[in-house]
Amino acid sequence: DAGVTQSPTHLIKTRGQHVTLRCSPISGHKSVSWYQQVLGQGPQFIFQYYEKEERGRGNFPDRFSARQFPNYSSELNVNALLLGDSALYLCASSPLGTGELFFGEGSRLTVL
Amino acid sequence: AQSVTQLDSHVSVSEGTPVLLRCNYSSSYSPSLFWYVQHPNKGLQLLLKYTSAATLVKGINGFEAEFKKSETSFHLTKPSAHMSDAAEYFCVVSDRNNDMRFGAGTRLTVKP
Repeated sequence: DAGVTQSPTHLIKTRGQHVTLRCSPISGHKSVSWYQQVLGQGPQFIFQYYEKEERGRGNFPDRFSARQFPNYSSELNVNALLLGDSALYLCASSPLGTGELFFGEGSRLTVL
Repeated sequence: AQSVTQLDSHVSVSEGTPVLLRCNYSSSYSPSLFWYVQHPNKGLQLLLKYTSAATLVKGINGFEAEFKKSETSFHLTKPSAHMSDAAEYFCVVSDRNNDMRFGAGTRLTVKP
């Protein structure tokens, strides 16, 4: 079975640009979460979506937004990129009620 | 609010010797606790989880952890380290709303 897939794996942007990151969950998982992992730190929670509705939001500015599609895939959008947005962005899907996260390998964003 | 403190940012052991990675948590509710492992340039993989059943939890690759409510600890152990265990390890606490908070991580080095 396919795991959580994320695209792109690596990308480079410049300050002020916009980025869209994509995630496909494991088949049957309806919950998708996004995390930001800055180098040398643990992942920080950004969003959780379940059944296309936002169920949780971390302490991130409004430049960060996300959505979930009917097929449970998800996009994370970041506007007006800052140098500090450079990080590994991780997507995780979860079976309902388990609290267990299955992570993709991440999208590494570099902002110059 | 819930939080996790990983007491060591870096642990170094020799191959074949025991591993101890320490984690203390803070939670207003009965928490769920997890340990995840992250190998270089890889996503995170679940090692084990505690969800209010047995306090001694066995995970994959010979790892186990003991939930001690009186000490608010959830330390990760392995009797004998293997070279392939070298990675970053994250302790995670989750409340009843599935809000998952990661520790800062402990980097495990295994010397031959």
